[in-house]
Amino acid sequence: GAVVSQHPSWVICKSGTSVKIECRSLDFQATTMFWYRQFPKQSLMLMATSNEGSKATYEQGVEKDKFLINHASLTLSTLTVTSAHPEDSSFYICSARDRRAGLSYNEQFFGPGTRLTVL
Amino acid sequence: AQRVTQPEKLLSVFKGAPVELKCNYSYSGSPELFWYVQYSRQRLQLLLRHISRESIKGFTADLNKGETSFHLKKPFAQEEDSAMYYCALSLYNNNDMRFGAGTRLTVKP
Repeated sequence: GAVVSQHPSWVICKSGTSVKIECRSLDFQATTMFWYRQFPKQSLMLMATSNEGSKATYEQGVEKDKFLINHASLTLSTLTVTSAHPEDSSFYICSARDRRAGLSYNEQFFGPGTRLTVL
Repeated sequence: AQRVTQPEKLLSVFKGAPVELKCNYSYSGSPELFWYVQYSRQRLQLLLRHISRESIKGFTADLNKGETSFHLKKPFAQEEDSAMYYCALSLYNNNDMRFGAGTRLTVKP
């Protein structure tokens, strides 16, 4: 159980276009989903926290108008990279927290990641 | 602000040798500490968390509040332990999780 999927697994796009990445919790409901960015050989950097039915909370330095997050249901969150540029090329990882876990249990289940390459 | 430090980017040991991956954190409140592991071409997955006080795949980690450390240990490393290990801190009753830079462990035959 507790499987998180991401689609697509990789995407190549032209500079200036927008790319949407989906994150789904397959066998549980996620009140909260998280979006991370990982540069080569570096750690995960939290970009934003996404709560179902409300606006995402962005980390300092992350442009909310560039990285649009929508958490429309308890099993789906989307990250849209708008007007992508080569510097947006990275590995984007989502994670989800099981709704049943309660506030005192902070385990996150991770998706496999999406590699974005902007030409 | 909370911070997680993993001082070693790379760690290499021989099979059967003990291994310790260091993790230090800075936070004044009551943190929850985790170790996540990422095997080659696989997603990040939870290895263990301090509240469980369990041993997973022979690994243990003890939270030392005095030293603000949560080092990961295994007495006899195996080749299949080769992976990227991340220490993470989460605040009690908070969604945020902060990751350390990660340590790549290589266990040589």
